[in-house]
Amino acid sequence: NAGVTQTPKFQVLKTGQSMTLQCAQDMNHNSMYWYRQDPGMGLRLIYYSASEGTTDKGEVPNGYNVSRLNKREFSLRLESAAPSQTSVYFCASSEGLANYNEQFFGPGTRLTVL
Amino acid sequence: QQQVKQSPQSLIVQKGGISIINCAYENTAFDYFPWYQQFPGKGPALLIAIRPDVSEKKEGRFTISFNKSAKQFSLHIMDSQPGDSATYFCAASLNNNDMRFGAGTRLTVKP
Repeated sequence: NAGVTQTPKFQVLKTGQSMTLQCAQDMNHNSMYWYRQDPGMGLRLIYYSASEGTTDKGEVPNGYNVSRLNKREFSLRLESAAPSQTSVYFCASSEGLANYNEQFFGPGTRLTVL
Repeated sequence: QQQVKQSPQSLIVQKGGISIINCAYENTAFDYFPWYQQFPGKGPALLIAIRPDVSEKKEGRFTISFNKSAKQFSLHIMDSQPGDSATYFCAASLNNNDMRFGAGTRLTVKP
């Protein structure tokens, strides 16, 4: 099992460009999450999907959109990238939203916006 | 507003020593307190977690101590090894969609 996979690993964008970060999990998990990790800030939740067909905002959703394509895949889109979106992005998945369900994280996408 | 405060930012320990990382939280509704370990270039991975109905949980060399009245919890790594060198994050949550993470502690264990 690959667990949680993310593509791409690295990306450099210019201000105003758009891009989609891809995430897939092979653990048959219901819930999926997108986090950003910034120095000195820990991880912050951008969006999550409790189950296939649903998405909801997290702590820092501005400037992002998401799509739960199917049970396996959850993508994050930046419509018009800004330098403030330079960060490392992690996708995670869990069986459900209850906190006793362990979250499994992908390897991350390092995004730089110039 | 950071709901979980973690200290120190960085920690250097000799091999065989004890590493101690502290966290404090604000929201008394939180009922799950995990610690994550992250190696460079990798995603965080759950290390150990505790619920507020117990004051201590031990798994091998890793122990969480929990003080509900003080709203504080800490990670102790006994007999620290160079392979423990990583960044450690504490967190607190009510559900997986509201997990609040500390800022992280970079641990270096010197051989």
